Amino acid sequence: DTGVSQNPRHKITKRGQNVTFRCDPISEHNRLYWYRQTLGQGPEFLTYFQNEAQLEKSRLLSDRFSAERPKGSFSTLEIQRTEQGDSAMYLCASSKPGTVLNTGELFFGEGSRLTVL
Amino acid sequence: SQQGEEDPQALSIQEGENATMNCSYKTSINNLQWYRQNSGRGLVHLILIRSNEREKHSGRLRVTLDTSKKSSSLLITASRAADTASYFCATGRMEYGNKLVFGAGTILRVKS
Repeated sequence: DTGVSQNPRHKITKRGQNVTFRCDPISEHNRLYWYRQTLGQGPEFLTYFQNEAQLEKSRLLSDRFSAERPKGSFSTLEIQRTEQGDSAMYLCASSKPGTVLNTGELFFGEGSRLTVL
Repeated sequence: SQQGEEDPQALSIQEGENATMNCSYKTSINNLQWYRQNSGRGLVHLILIRSNEREKHSGRLRVTLDTSKKSSSLLITASRAADTASYFCATGRMEYGNKLVFGAGTILRVKS
């Protein structure tokens, strides 16, 4: 399967614990995105990498959130000291190199659903 | 905040009927994309229309873009039960960097 892979698919944790999600993008894609989606809403942008460089972070990404893409391949999203409000689906997407003016098609993974008790 | 707003929020039709969903946005864009999401799954890209295009077709899908009204519509013809899903529009804009901004979506239910 050469699609975007995310794991774990589901994570249940207690408030205050740390969690980490991993995303493996399509191999030739240099752009990688993290979005968060709550029930009944569209995906909200969290952060974006081009190769290993984190180029943009949303205001939604508090100090408890950190994302890395150390070698420009897979990425991790860590949430420290989880809160109940962090419960959501965390979606990863990748895209081919594009121009500054245009973002092309995003290829999404199946998401990692986080439940904070 | 979300750039696009889909209308209606929910739509229920019979198999074989056409489904039309609308998206309005607030600022100028470079392109507009439509995605589908089955319950509990990731999003799947359907179609992209650039700001200098007015209409685009892909199979049973027809997308229109009216930049003067800042709106787009997605038409699914001859709907099938398998089209049941949430549909989202997403806008790309240079000022957004290279991210897409998604609307809240339309939930489509096709009854067989």
